[in-house]
Amino acid sequence: GDSVTQMEGPVTLSEEAFLTINCTYTATGYPSLFWYVQYPGEGLQLLLKATKADDKGSNKGFEATYRKETTSFHLEKGSVQVSDSAVYFCALSDSGGSNYKLTFGKGTLLTVNP
Amino acid sequence: ETGVTQTPRHLVMGMTNKKSLKCEQHLGHNAMYWYKQSAKKPLELMFVYSLEERVENNSVPSRFSPECPNSSHLFLHLHTLQPEDSALYLCASSQGLTNGQPQHFGDGTRLSIL
Repeated sequence: GDSVTQMEGPVTLSEEAFLTINCTYTATGYPSLFWYVQYPGEGLQLLLKATKADDKGSNKGFEATYRKETTSFHLEKGSVQVSDSAVYFCALSDSGGSNYKLTFGKGTLLTVNP
Repeated sequence: ETGVTQTPRHLVMGMTNKKSLKCEQHLGHNAMYWYKQSAKKPLELMFVYSLEERVENNSVPSRFSPECPNSSHLFLHLHTLQPEDSALYLCASSQGLTNGQPQHFGDGTRLSIL
């Protein structure tokens, strides 16, 4: 079956530091890949997505590139802010029968200190 | 404002109570979902509806009963819950049921079972 593995953290950084959160996946078909963010007390928000190999998703300074050869979709940001403190989820939806299903990783808690 | 509104935000109930969670989406979407989010576990998909028809029941106990009267509203009726059912319940919607469609989440209902 499909699965998503991401670094569990927690990750603690100082403001303006570089961020990488690793995400790798296994899928039987041709998945679309997503990063969602959950701020304290809120639901999940779509941060970015990529639907095919070599696509780069980007939003709010965050980027992730769909790497089929390494089955990865690592999230990066060049300079984090305190307001980026949240839990980040990597997810995929696969092609095939139940292709609406999102398979999530366990989430990575990011804390950014001033 | 996510376009998906959940009420109540917090609910405390005894194991013998009956209560309902409500979700309303203002995005014109055709598919709606219920998820359970527990600490240190990946999000668990519970139910999926498309155009008011249930398309997924992910081995959820019968003490959880969903209802989708129209494509904008989704309910989760709760009866005789157990302490392990305490969690954040998230509602989501999407345009349709195809690969690559992002899901839009509400802020959730935090449920505590006494």
